[in-house]
Amino acid sequence: QKEVEQNSGPLSVPEGAIASLNCTYSDRGSQSFFWYRQYSGKSPELIMFIYSNGDKEDGRFTAQLNKASQYVSLLIRDSQPSDSATYLCAVNSGGTSYGKLTFGQGTILTVHP
Amino acid sequence: SQTIHQWPATLVQPVGSPLSLECTVEGTSNPNLYWYRQAAGRGLQLLFYSVGIGQISSEVPQNLSASRPQDRQFILSSKKLLLSDSGFYLCAWKGMGTGVEKLFFGSGTQLSVL
Repeated sequence: QKEVEQNSGPLSVPEGAIASLNCTYSDRGSQSFFWYRQYSGKSPELIMFIYSNGDKEDGRFTAQLNKASQYVSLLIRDSQPSDSATYLCAVNSGGTSYGKLTFGQGTILTVHP
Repeated sequence: SQTIHQWPATLVQPVGSPLSLECTVEGTSNPNLYWYRQAAGRGLQLLFYSVGIGQISSEVPQNLSASRPQDRQFILSSKKLLLSDSGFYLCAWKGMGTGVEKLFFGSGTQLSVL
């Protein structure tokens, strides 16, 4: 059973702080990793993806991948109240190209003014 | 650009009634299409995926079925709904970018079975 684990939170950070969201996965064959943001009652929105070890930065977001530790994280710098949402980690395992992502349960992030 | 349409946005159905949710994609041909369900307090679960017309793969045995009658149309159905079928249903399609396959979701259908 391929699993993706996230701390469900809620994670609460003050406005302007760095929010750190973590995710671990069980399948060592996993090849690509995604972070989705989901506002309450809305569909998930892709915000970051990463497939190589190391860091990938896009604006205020940084994704970090460590395949040896089977760990992927998302850092949000200068957090804003509009970043308050559930963040879903998703993993695409090797051996198939059909986009069959395995999702974690999500981490609820609250950014308070 | 590619867009995905899903309807209805919300649906309240009695137990034992039938279900039909529809999803269409524009701006691409022969897309891989997916149905996911998000139950309250749970993560996204893949229900069905399709790589082409008439080709359906089921990931989880359940009370639901899927069909793909046209290239850019994907339908989720049930003959008799159960209480446990309640949830947020999401259609998705697979796109490519920077050499990585990515999944893009429709706006979802919130289904309540009463």
